[in-house]
Amino acid sequence: EAGVTQFPSHSVIEKGQTVTLRCDPISGHDNLYWYRRVMGKEIKFLLHFVKESKQDESGMPNNRFLAERTGGTYSTLKVQPAELEDSGVYFCASSQVTSSGTYNEQFFGPGTRLTVL
Amino acid sequence: LAKTTQPISMDSYEGQEVNITCSHNNIATNDYITWYQQFPSQGPRFIIQGYKTKVTNEVASLFIPADRKSSTLSLPRVSLSDTAVYYCLVGYGGATNKLIFGTGTLLAVQP
Repeated sequence: EAGVTQFPSHSVIEKGQTVTLRCDPISGHDNLYWYRRVMGKEIKFLLHFVKESKQDESGMPNNRFLAERTGGTYSTLKVQPAELEDSGVYFCASSQVTSSGTYNEQFFGPGTRLTVL
Repeated sequence: LAKTTQPISMDSYEGQEVNITCSHNNIATNDYITWYQQFPSQGPRFIIQGYKTKVTNEVASLFIPADRKSSTLSLPRVSLSDTAVYYCLVGYGGATNKLIFGTGTLLAVQP
């Protein structure tokens, strides 16, 4: 079974440009999460989809970030316009929907390393 | 969500048993304790999860005392490939739980 995949693996852009990151979750996983780690900091939660609906977007830093998951399959995270502080590694994770009280193991992709110059 | 404290780094040699302890003094009744492992250039990977006492799987063991204010991840006979960052996470094991990562422990295994 294929794991979580992310594209691209690396992206280098200039300040002010737009970048779109893609995540393909494990087939059948309705939960999809975005996280990121900026240089020297901890991995931080960005948002969570259940199918195509945003369940929790409390971690989104500002309105320059837009996440979508049309059709409840793959997801995109667009940064427009990119700023220097957006540089970091963006991780996507997915998990199955389980019953309440059952542990929800998250499977992570390899991440996209974004560098904004 | 409970705050966790774990050592920043640890060194070990191949073949040794490694124990990484995590403190979580304000763990809530519903909280589970979960450990993730992260290799360079990869995303975190689930290792083990427990609620109380001891849990063992093919990779590691997790020891949780009765008061649940700390936990210890035990890796038996580590190898060079176990060099990674190990994260201790505490939170409710619900179906939609977002993960809150701390700084993790960098384990360096030497030959």
